[in-house]
Amino acid sequence: RKEVEQDPGPFNVPEGATVAFNCTYSNSASQSFFWYRQDCRKEPKLLMSVYSSGNEDGRFTAQLNRASQYISLLIRDSKLSDSATYLCVVNNRTVGGGADGLTFGKGTHLIIQP
Amino acid sequence: DAGITQSPRHKVTETGTPVTLRCHQTENHRYMYWYRQDPGHGLRLIHYSYGVKDTDKGEVSDGYSVSRSKTEDFLLTLESATSSQTSVYFCAISQQGTETQYFGPGTRLLVL
Repeated sequence: RKEVEQDPGPFNVPEGATVAFNCTYSNSASQSFFWYRQDCRKEPKLLMSVYSSGNEDGRFTAQLNRASQYISLLIRDSKLSDSATYLCVVNNRTVGGGADGLTFGKGTHLIIQP
Repeated sequence: DAGITQSPRHKVTETGTPVTLRCHQTENHRYMYWYRQDPGHGLRLIHYSYGVKDTDKGEVSDGYSVSRSKTEDFLLTLESATSSQTSVYFCAISQQGTETQYFGPGTRLLVL
């Protein structure tokens, strides 16, 4: 079974602080990686894709470490509105595999406190 | 936001009754998916479709069937609902050749 592991938290962080969390994956052949955000009782929404070279989108930075098989998400200058659950998603599609290759982590719960 | 709707948004039913959930998209995406989300579990794929009348099983397909007669609609049927199928069901879509999936608002199903 292809696993994606995340610390469930909750991470309680003061507003304005920097917070980082990691996700590990078990399949070394995984091809692509994503972070989704899910608010309480809402659907998951794509936050960002994760590229091998690392990528940044405003206050959010995602990193991929293939050798150690983990992905990280860094949030700088955290806002109250960043409070949510962050889902790590890994594409385990094999060569010639179908569309069912995405594996979702159980999520990390982040609470930004005023 | 991607044009994805799900109906009904909430449903309470009794064990043994059939239930059909509908996912409708206006994006003309080829791929459509049904997931369930339960406490302590990540999103788990039930079934997916890669075109009209083309479907395949996911990780937790037992007790579920699907149909896709039009590009825009993907139906999930619980033939005989059980209490273990109480869950939040999400539909998702993706374009051909890409992996980014966009999710509908979800359906909360309670089986008594």
